[in-house]
Amino acid sequence: AQSVTQLGSHVSVSEGALVLLRCNYSSSVPPYLFWYVQYPNQGLQLLLKYTSAATLVKGINGFEAEFKKSETSFHLTKPSAHMSDAAEYFCAVSGRTGANNLFFGTGTRLTVIP
Amino acid sequence: DTEVTQTPKHLVMGMTNKKSLKCEQHMGHRAMYWYKQKAKKPPELMFVYSYEKLSINESVPSRFSPECPNSSLLNLHLHALQPEDSALYLCASSLEGGAVSTDTQYFGPGTRLTVL
Repeated sequence: AQSVTQLGSHVSVSEGALVLLRCNYSSSVPPYLFWYVQYPNQGLQLLLKYTSAATLVKGINGFEAEFKKSETSFHLTKPSAHMSDAAEYFCAVSGRTGANNLFFGTGTRLTVIP
Repeated sequence: DTEVTQTPKHLVMGMTNKKSLKCEQHMGHRAMYWYKQKAKKPPELMFVYSYEKLSINESVPSRFSPECPNSSLLNLHLHALQPEDSALYLCASSLEGGAVSTDTQYFGPGTRLTVL
């Protein structure tokens, strides 16, 4: 079975500082991993996904994530935080049982301090 | 166009009411999903439709009844709900019908349901 764990339910950074949101996965097979962002009162938007091609994945809005098999991690980073990055971020793993069902982590709320 | 639309945006209903949530996409996607999201929690999968057929039901109570009339439309019929069913209900769609685990799921904005 696949699952993801997000360390830190709340992360606060200053505007312009590095953003690091942590995600660790558990999977008996090579996983497919996703990062989604959810702004208040909105649905989820895909930031990026890992599908076993390049281990460094670049996404939208300047975000990127690196797949590290040895650490079972898929942390999300952005070099310089903007106020508009304040949102809830979810890491997710795709089921590989013949169905494209996503299993989400518990989420990390990012606050950007001016 | 990568838009999934959901109506209504907000719904308040009593425990004896019957109501329906609607989801629509015109991207030619063949898989559609219903998720339930409680406050400050991640989305939880309820149902998956693949090529207009129900492929996954995550042990959802029968008071929730999904329907996929065609490949662009997904409904969720609600009857005799409980207050604990109050949540944000999200619809999503993806290109392939279920078996491709790398497909991006596109989410709608959700319907915020309150059961009194």
